[in-house]
Amino acid sequence: DAGVIQSPRHEVTEMGQEVTLRCKPISGHNSLFWYRQTMMRGLELLIYFNNNVPIDDSGMPEDRFSAKMPNASFSTLKIQPSEPRDSAVYFCASSFATGVKQYFGPGTRLTVT
Amino acid sequence: DAKTTQPTSMDCAEGRAANLPCNHSTISGNEYVYWYRQIHSQGPQYIIHGLKNNETNEMASLIITEDRKSSTLILPHATLRDTAVYYCIVRGSYNTDKLIFGTGTRLQVFP
Repeated sequence: DAGVIQSPRHEVTEMGQEVTLRCKPISGHNSLFWYRQTMMRGLELLIYFNNNVPIDDSGMPEDRFSAKMPNASFSTLKIQPSEPRDSAVYFCASSFATGVKQYFGPGTRLTVT
Repeated sequence: DAKTTQPTSMDCAEGRAANLPCNHSTISGNEYVYWYRQIHSQGPQYIIHGLKNNETNEMASLIITEDRKSSTLILPHATLRDTAVYYCIVRGSYNTDKLIFGTGTRLQVFP
């Protein structure tokens, strides 16, 4: 089992650019979560999907952030336009719909200059 | 969701048991206690969870008090690789219930 796969692992971009983060959940899992971690705010849930449908996006900070899950094996988190305050580590996690264990990916470290 | 309170940091000697406490005095009847940990620069890792009975797995033991207002995570023989931030989380049993991570306890295992 390859676990949750995230790409890229590191991203450095300039303010105003579009950033797309990618996630491949564990095969067979049908819940997917996007988190953001910063020193100031800790680990925050941004959005989660169940069976490819967004269930709760109340953690998405603003309209610059959007997430999609076109199929069971792929999700994206897009920031457009990016700002320096978006610099953080973004984690993707997946789980069985009724399961309790979330499996986290290695994260994408985003730096916006 | 019920909130949890954990000490900011703890130390433990290698080979000794690490006992990490968590207070969750406002926990409700259908809410579980979960523990995750995050080793530096990695994603969080599930450790264990329980409702009211004590639980044990290959990683740790979870002791929940009878009134369920507090719990203790026990790493029976801590190693240097157990150095991490440990999160105690209370979550409901519904599929839509979320994991809300607090600040956790930073456990330092020393030689």
